[in-house]
Formats: sequence, structure tokens, C-alpha cells
Amino acid sequence: DGGITQSPKYLFRKEGQNVTLSCEQNLNHDAMYWYRQDPGQGLRLIYYSQIVNDFQKGDIAEGYSVSREKKESFPLTVTSAQKNPTAFYLCASSVSPAVGKLFFGSGTQLSVL
Amino acid sequence: GENVEQHPSTLSVQEGDSAVIKCTYSDSASNYFPWYKQELGKGPQLIIDIRSNVGEKKDQRIAVTLNKTAKHFSLHITETQPEDSAVYFCAAGGSNSGYALNFGKGTSLLVTP
Repeated sequence: DGGITQSPKYLFRKEGQNVTLSCEQNLNHDAMYWYRQDPGQGLRLIYYSQIVNDFQKGDIAEGYSVSREKKESFPLTVTSAQKNPTAFYLCASSVSPAVGKLFFGSGTQLSVL
Repeated sequence: GENVEQHPSTLSVQEGDSAVIKCTYSDSASNYFPWYKQELGKGPQLIIDIRSNVGEKKDQRIAVTLNKTAKHFSLHITETQPEDSAVYFCAAGGSNSGYALNFGKGTSLLVTP
């Protein structure tokens, strides 16, 4: 089955801890994105990558980091600098940046212990 | 950057009635306008999209209209069914943002039998 896989589905973070959310796609898409969703809010862009080994900050990049070492993978690290990390995190991909059509994963719910 | 406003935030209709959700955007360079449907605990799914060279697009019970001069676009769902109940998001994007989409805050649609 082609698609985007996010793991884990639920994740808990302790104070001062960094956690990494996984995002893998087997769609052969060039572009990948991370969005944060808070209750009653829209999706806010954290980071995006148009090509391997390159990524750009979105609107709310502070306290987050990413890497894009492989085309299929775009992990997101929520660092201890992110003081309000509780949210639903969505990874997405598109065939190319210019196409625009995003395919989303099923999300990771991150909560703080 | 791009700012997308979406109204209403909640919408309740009776089965068989029509539902209309409206969005406005600020960046005249945006040229891609998708609509996503999100069910509880899942990632958003693309239901219809439109590009700036088209004024209207229809797919069965769903249609989207775009007024580029006024910078607004709308989603129309006819003959609503209970399974249409979900949160709907509009978005806008263009080459100046690397085609990373900016989303509205969502409309929670409830279709009652």
C-alpha cells in the first residue's frame, strides 16, 4: 500500500526531553511537510522540504528541528525549547512542490507528562 | 505571508440541504486553493481543489468557486448526507511560499438526519 506512515500514534514527553516523530512515505514524492494542529485551530506549518538534504522553516519553527537525509523520511524533533508541545502533528507529502496536492499521514498526538 | 480566513467555524444543516463554507486569502500571488476533509483522529483528505485559471470546479455533490479579484473561494456541498459530517479546511498556496499551503481554521459541519 502506498502512503504516508506516521509513528507513534501517541507520544508522551517529559519536561526537558527531546522527542522525535517519525514520518515515512513510499509515494516517491519529492516534497514533505510538517504541520501542527491545535484544537479548534487550523494547520500551522512547522517545516517543509522540497528536496533531499534541504528544508525551510515554516511559520512556527522555533523549538523544532528536522532532517531530510532520505527522500522517504522526514523526521521531526520536538526539542525541550518548545514550551507548549502538546498538539496533533501531521506529516504530509506532495509529488513536487509545484503541484500543491498534499497527502497526509494519520498524525501523532503528542502530550506532556 | 499568506493569511487565510474561513467562515463559519461551525455549521449545522439537515440532511439533504446544501452547505456553503467561505474563505478569503490575502496574498494575490496564491494560485492553488484546495479543500480538505478531516474526520476525528485522522489526517485531512483532499476532496477538491482549484487553480487560479479556473472559476469553478465540480465533482458530483461538491463544487468550489473562486473569485480571484475579490480573493475569496467557497466550498458548496449539495444534498448533504450524515457522512459529510466532519471538519473542512480551506487552504491557499503559491510559488512564493514554495507551494507550502496556508490553512484556514476549519469549519465543523454537522449533518443531522
